[in-house]
Amino acid sequence: EVQLVQYGAEVKKPGEFLKISCKGSGYSFTSYWIGWVRQMPGKGLEWMGIIYPGDSDTRYSPSFQGQVTISADKSISTAYLQWSSLKASDTAMYYCARPGSAGTYRDGFDIWGQGTMVTVSS
Amino acid sequence: EIVLTQSPATLSLSPGERATLSCRASQSVSRYLAWYQQKPGQAPSLLIYDASNRATGIPARFSGSGSGTDFTLTISSLEPEDFADYYCQHRSNWPFTFGPGTKVDIK
Repeated sequence: EVQLVQYGAEVKKPGEFLKISCKGSGYSFTSYWIGWVRQMPGKGLEWMGIIYPGDSDTRYSPSFQGQVTISADKSISTAYLQWSSLKASDTAMYYCARPGSAGTYRDGFDIWGQGTMVTVSS
Repeated sequence: EIVLTQSPATLSLSPGERATLSCRASQSVSRYLAWYQQKPGQAPSLLIYDASNRATGIPARFSGSGSGTDFTLTISSLEPEDFADYYCQHRSNWPFTFGPGTKVDIK
């Protein structure tokens, strides 16, 4: 079964470091782009960025460039989203997602992780 | 960055009724438009890609149409499980963007 697995929740304080993960299984991890999507409480979906684990080619949405870092470790089929210094406004659900076709991000994203809820509060 | 707008923000209908959701792009996205459904507490799921192609396992009551800047998602006869949030998203170029969503709720 093709799936993306994310951990459930993280609770952090402002200024702390955080790295959340998305583990792919059931497919060739290095052949498919993985994207990250933010959903703030009660709000809509926002694309943050995408990465191609095969060569770590990464694209960021302008709103998130410089705010987060996306990476991948193909040896363990895992993509990451990290913050060096969290803010309260980073409180949100974060989803990873995979497109339907190999080698391109320009496709419908048909595989989604269950999301990681990040809460940042002092 | 391409901006997507969706209308209406909320659509209140009864089971069995027809739902028509609209998505408009600030510039042409050709047919590179997808629709996602999101139920409370769940991740989004792909319904339609490339404007009119149903994703695997999506019932025929869901259909998409449009090209360029104007798109429509139609649910021909609402089932109880269809009451959810719906988002359009373009893949014309990076950055991809989502529309703000349409909530389909029970009247």
